[in-house]
Amino acid sequence: EDQVTQSPEALRLQEGESSSLNCSYTVSGLRGLFWYRQDPGKGPEFLFTLYSAGEEKEKERLKATLTKKESFLHITAPKPEDSATYLCAAYNAGNMLTFGGGTRLMVKP
Amino acid sequence: GAVVSQHPSRVICKSGTSVKIECRSLDFQATTMFWYRQFPKQSLMLMATSNEGSKATYEQGVEKDKFLINHASLTLSTLTVTSAHPEDSSFYICSARDSGGAGNSPLHFGNGTRLTVT
Repeated sequence: EDQVTQSPEALRLQEGESSSLNCSYTVSGLRGLFWYRQDPGKGPEFLFTLYSAGEEKEKERLKATLTKKESFLHITAPKPEDSATYLCAAYNAGNMLTFGGGTRLMVKP
Repeated sequence: GAVVSQHPSRVICKSGTSVKIECRSLDFQATTMFWYRQFPKQSLMLMATSNEGSKATYEQGVEKDKFLINHASLTLSTLTVTSAHPEDSSFYICSARDSGGAGNSPLHFGNGTRLTVT
């Protein structure tokens, strides 16, 4: 059975304090790994797609990386507006998508 | 691009009534749409896969007679919660994948519907 596990469940950072969120996956025939941002009371907003180990994507203060076992979402010098829940999800060989439990990030000014 | 519109954003209904939620892909066609349910501080739980022109596929434990899904066109799927009860109160989110993209292209989500059954 495919599994996607995110850690930590919650993370509190001071503004400017860089950190990383982890997404570990066990998926049969990974065909893509996605990162989403979800604000309270809203649907997930697509951030990145990673398709193969070694791939990296960047957007503003966020950088996503992928290995054969896990993905990291690096947040550099975060701001309070980066506070949200970050979800990762993985597609298997049959294009079935499995979501992780999410990491709730809070950035304090 | 890739905008998914979900309506209504909030709905309060009385126990025993039915509620319809609409999900539209605004700038792309979606042969397949997905309906999720999310409980507070939890991740998304897939309820069903909506297929244009055919019957929806429901996940184990989801009552197909309670959660009616219709995918009438390439841009519209609806979820009807029939005879709603307080335990159906939740946050429902739809998503869609561009039919013109690869099978592993990302899903795009609506902004969800907060259903409260009194």
